[in-house]
Amino acid sequence: QAQLVQSGAEVKTPGASVKVSCKASGYTFTNYVINWVRQVPGQGLEWMGWISGYNGNTEYAQKFQGRVTMTTETSTSTAYMELRSLRSDDTAVYYCARDMTVFGASHVFSVWGQGTMVTVS
Amino acid sequence: EVVLTQSPGTLSLSPGERATLSCRASHSVSSSHLAWYQQKPGQPPRLLIYAASSRATGIPDRFSGSGSGTDFTVTISRLEPEDFAVYYCQQYVTSPLTFGGGTTVEIK
Repeated sequence: QAQLVQSGAEVKTPGASVKVSCKASGYTFTNYVINWVRQVPGQGLEWMGWISGYNGNTEYAQKFQGRVTMTTETSTSTAYMELRSLRSDDTAVYYCARDMTVFGASHVFSVWGQGTMVTVS
Repeated sequence: EVVLTQSPGTLSLSPGERATLSCRASHSVSSSHLAWYQQKPGQPPRLLIYAASSRATGIPDRFSGSGSGTDFTVTISRLEPEDFAVYYCQQYVTSPLTFGGGTTVEIK
């Protein structure tokens, strides 16, 4: 069964960077795209971008361009999301979510990580 | 950017009742590239519906989706206790991918 397990909660000061990991299991990592979505506590969902597990291609939401970098490490089936120049309004739960479609980018999120709380204070 | 507006914000119903949730898009969502997710407190979202009307794997048939263009609906035919949660719609026709603000289905 496909599963995504994320790294633990982080507390950062304004201006710092955070790197969240997302380890995949139960499926072939290189066959799918991984998306990153964040959620401010008590609020809605915000898409940040995606990365292909196959070739590392990325697309970032314009809002995060220049501040976010998504990478993968295929040897460990792990995706990473680094966000730089953190501000207090970056305080949120960050989720990785696997695309539904093999070798595609349907942008429908069928498998989710448990979430990583990032606090900027 | 496609803005998704969900209504109502909160729906107060009793178990066994029918729930109808709406999602309206600011621009046409072609080919019905619209999905619905359910989220319970402290959990990640769970995919319910994609392509406007296709149920995801393992989703009970009391959940159904419909709509096209700019107006979409998810219906829960008979609410079970585990269905009380927040529901989000998401469009995936154009970047940036966007979500609606959510509808909370609460126990009356």
